[in-house]
Amino acid sequence: KQEVTQIPAALSVPEGENLVLNCSFTDSAIYNLQWFRQDPGKGLTSLLLIQSSQREQTSGRLNASLDKSSGRSTLYIAASQPGDSATYLCAVFFSPDTGNQFYFGTGTSLTVIP
Amino acid sequence: EAQVTQNPRYLITVTGKKLTVTCSQNMNHEYMSWYRQDPGLGLRQIYYSMNVEVTDKGDVPEGYKVSRKEKRNFPLILESPSPNQTSLYFCASSPTGTGYSNQPQHFGDGTRLSIL
Repeated sequence: KQEVTQIPAALSVPEGENLVLNCSFTDSAIYNLQWFRQDPGKGLTSLLLIQSSQREQTSGRLNASLDKSSGRSTLYIAASQPGDSATYLCAVFFSPDTGNQFYFGTGTSLTVIP
Repeated sequence: EAQVTQNPRYLITVTGKKLTVTCSQNMNHEYMSWYRQDPGLGLRQIYYSMNVEVTDKGDVPEGYKVSRKEKRNFPLILESPSPNQTSLYFCASSPTGTGYSNQPQHFGDGTRLSIL
């Protein structure tokens, strides 16, 4: 069974700090990895998607990297703002040989303190 | 506007009373799926559909049914709901389920289901 892990479960930082969120997965045969943001009582909003052939993707203050060999992805948030406070989830699509399914981590709850 | 629409958003019901949660997308996506989200367990996939009339079990399919008669709709059916199905449910869609797509999944706003 595929597993996706996110550590830490919660993180609190002062405004303006740069931070890194981690996602690890058990199988290097991934097809793509997505980072999502979830606000309380809301659905998931896609932030970045990295294909298995890519090493990183950037959008504004966000940068996501992928290292398949070590089974890790990181989401880097630059100059954090209170509006970044949310739960961040990573989701992995593994090889179709293991089923056409997305596997989610349990998320990192981020609080940015003004 | 591109969106995934779920209904109802909230539902409180009793054990054994059949219910259906509807999901509709307007993006002509082939792949649709249902997840449940529980504290400490994250999102787990219940069922998914690669296209019309093609459905497959995810990790937690017990107690649920789905159908995909039209491309835009993917309802989730609980034939005889039980309290352990109390959860937050999400429907999602993406252009394709092969993993090759560079387009992300789109999620609905969720359905909070309470089974008493």
